[in-house]
Amino acid sequence: GENVEQHPSTLSVQEGDSAVIKCTYSDSASNYFPWYKQELGKRPQLIIDIRSNVGEKKDQRIAVTLNKTAKHFSLHITETQPEDSAVYFCAVNNFGNEKLTFGTGTRLTIIP
Amino acid sequence: EAQVTQNPRYLITVTGKKLTVTCSQNMNHEYMSWYRQDPGLGLRQIYYSMNVEVTDKGDVPEGYKVSRKEKRNFPLILESPSPNQTSLYFCASSRDLRDSPLHFGNGTRLTVT
Repeated sequence: GENVEQHPSTLSVQEGDSAVIKCTYSDSASNYFPWYKQELGKRPQLIIDIRSNVGEKKDQRIAVTLNKTAKHFSLHITETQPEDSAVYFCAVNNFGNEKLTFGTGTRLTIIP
Repeated sequence: EAQVTQNPRYLITVTGKKLTVTCSQNMNHEYMSWYRQDPGLGLRQIYYSMNVEVTDKGDVPEGYKVSRKEKRNFPLILESPSPNQTSLYFCASSRDLRDSPLHFGNGTRLTVT
């Protein structure tokens, strides 16, 4: 089955700096790559997603890049703010198996 | 309001006492799924359903059952709970999963003693 690795597991960033979280996957047929944010005590919520026919997508301070050849994709958060502190999960859709496989999560802490 | 509703939010039970966690969505989504979240392990899929009467095992199905008799409901059943099933559980739904996001419920924190 699909194997998704996410790094780092924890990340501390000074407010205003950028944060980058990276995920690698194993199945080259995967075609949908969402990122979810989970604030403390809350449910995961989609923040951005990218499909395999696109290399990069940006939404204000958040961007995701996809390298299909290397089978990795990354979440970039610029000008970080305290409200960015949360756990972030990448996920990969394996169309053939109709399932979404999650990474193990990154706990991002923004230091004021 | 479009939402996924799980009940209960918190549940403490004893080993072996059957329990059901309910999940309902009002978005007419075909795909529904259950995940458990444990520290350091992320979100692991228990079971999923592509449509009514269609269910399939995820990565960690042992000790769990599900049913999908109606499109909106997808209950999670623990016939004989054990302490290793103590976890945070999330139900989620999606229009078709292929390129539509998952919408999560608020979670159920289960403790089995």
